[in-house]
Amino acid sequence: QKEVEQNSGPLSVPEGAIASLNCTYSDRVSQSFFWYRQYSGKSPELIMSIYSNGDKEDGRFTAQLNKASQYVSLLIRDSQPSDSATYLCAVRNYGQNFVFGPGTRLSVLP
Amino acid sequence: DVKVTQSSRYLVKRTGEKVFLECVQDMDHENMFWYRQDPGLGLRLIYFSYDVKMKEKGDIPEGYSVSREKKERFSLILESASTNQTSMYLCASSTNTDTQYFGPGTRLTVL
Repeated sequence: QKEVEQNSGPLSVPEGAIASLNCTYSDRVSQSFFWYRQYSGKSPELIMSIYSNGDKEDGRFTAQLNKASQYVSLLIRDSQPSDSATYLCAVRNYGQNFVFGPGTRLSVLP
Repeated sequence: DVKVTQSSRYLVKRTGEKVFLECVQDMDHENMFWYRQDPGLGLRLIYFSYDVKMKEKGDIPEGYSVSREKKERFSLILESASTNQTSMYLCASSTNTDTQYFGPGTRLTVL
């Protein structure tokens, strides 16, 4: 059973701080990794995708991938109350399917 | 921009009714997916399709069927709706190499 694990949270950070979200996966052949943000009652929206080891930055967001440790993370710098949401980690291997983690609920406190 | 649309945002049906949920994508994506999402259970894959007229069971296909007659359209069918099928239903599409893009979701209530 291919699994993606995340800490369910809630993770609370003060406004302006760095929020660090973590994800581990079990399938070593996983090739593609994605972070989605989901607001309550809404559908998931893509924030970042990452395919190779290292860091990938996009604005306030940085995705980090370590395939040897089977670990992917998302850093949110200068966190804003509008970042409060559930963050889903997703993993894709050579097949067509995506495996989603249960999500981490982030709360940014003003 | 990728656009995935779903036929209804909110739907209320009665037990035993046949329910159709429609999903359309405008990006010529090969793959389309149906998920349901329930509190504490995360996203669960019901069915997916990697080509027209092709379908594969996901993790929870029981009580559901699907149809993909055209590349852009993927339908989810509840043959006889039951109260335990009350949920948020999410459609998504993707190419063979890229990420999934989700529709806005349909919140289905079965009374």
